[in-house]
Amino acid sequence: GAGVSQSPRYKVAKRGQDVALRCDPISGHVSLFWYQQALGQGPEFLTYFQNEAQLDKSGLPSDRFFAERPEGSVSTLKIQRTQQEDSAVYLCASSSGRRNEKLFFGSGTQLSVL
Amino acid sequence: AQTVTQSQPEMSVQEAETVTLSCTYDTSESDYYLFWYKQPPSRQMILVIRQEAYKQQNATENRFSVNFQKAAKSFSLKISDSQLGDAAMYFCAYRPLSGTYKYIFGTGTRLKVLA
Repeated sequence: GAGVSQSPRYKVAKRGQDVALRCDPISGHVSLFWYQQALGQGPEFLTYFQNEAQLDKSGLPSDRFFAERPEGSVSTLKIQRTQQEDSAVYLCASSSGRRNEKLFFGSGTQLSVL
Repeated sequence: AQTVTQSQPEMSVQEAETVTLSCTYDTSESDYYLFWYKQPPSRQMILVIRQEAYKQQNATENRFSVNFQKAAKSFSLKISDSQLGDAAMYFCAYRPLSGTYKYIFGTGTRLKVLA
C-alpha cells in the first residue's frame, strides 16, 4: 500500500480482555517496529522484525505482550489480560532495512483499558 | 545505554519568527543517524530532517535546519519563518548503525505557533 496502515484506530477494552492490534507495512519493507507511546511521552521501543524473524523483543513490558509477523508482511501485536497501565498509543513503523533507510509510521492504535 | 534528552517540554514562537528546539543524546557509538520527527494531532510521525553522524555539514530541508555538535552530543532543530502548520509535537531520535537499528526517541517538545 501507499503507507503504513494500522487498525483499529481506537480500541476500548475492559480490564482483563485480550486485544489484537494489526499493522500493514509498506509493501516490500523488510523491517517492522512496534512502539508504545504513553500520553505526553515519546515512543518507547517494543519489538523489531526483520522479515518474519523477531530479532529484538527486549522492549515488551511483560509476557502478556506478544507480537508476530508470520509471512514477513502484516504484523499483529497481541496483549493478553489487559491492564490499565497498557493504555497508550501503539505505533507501527516499517522501513527498507538498508543503511540509508527512512522509517515510515502508521497513525497508531489508541488503546484505552477501563 | 543510549539515551535522548529533550529538556524543553513546550516552546512558543510567533508566526514568521525563528525557533530552536534542543536535543542532547548519549552514545558510545561513532556512526549513527539523528532525526527530528513531527507528530501532529493525527498521531502519524513525519520525518522532518535527518543527520548522518559522519557528515560534518549540518543538514537542511527548506525552512528546517540542524546544528549538529558531535563532540558535545547536541542536535538542535531550527525552524525559520514559522508557520501555523508547524504547530505539533517534535521528537528527536537516534538510531545506531549496528544491531537491530532500534530508534530511540526523546520525550518531545510541544511547539505552539502564535498568529
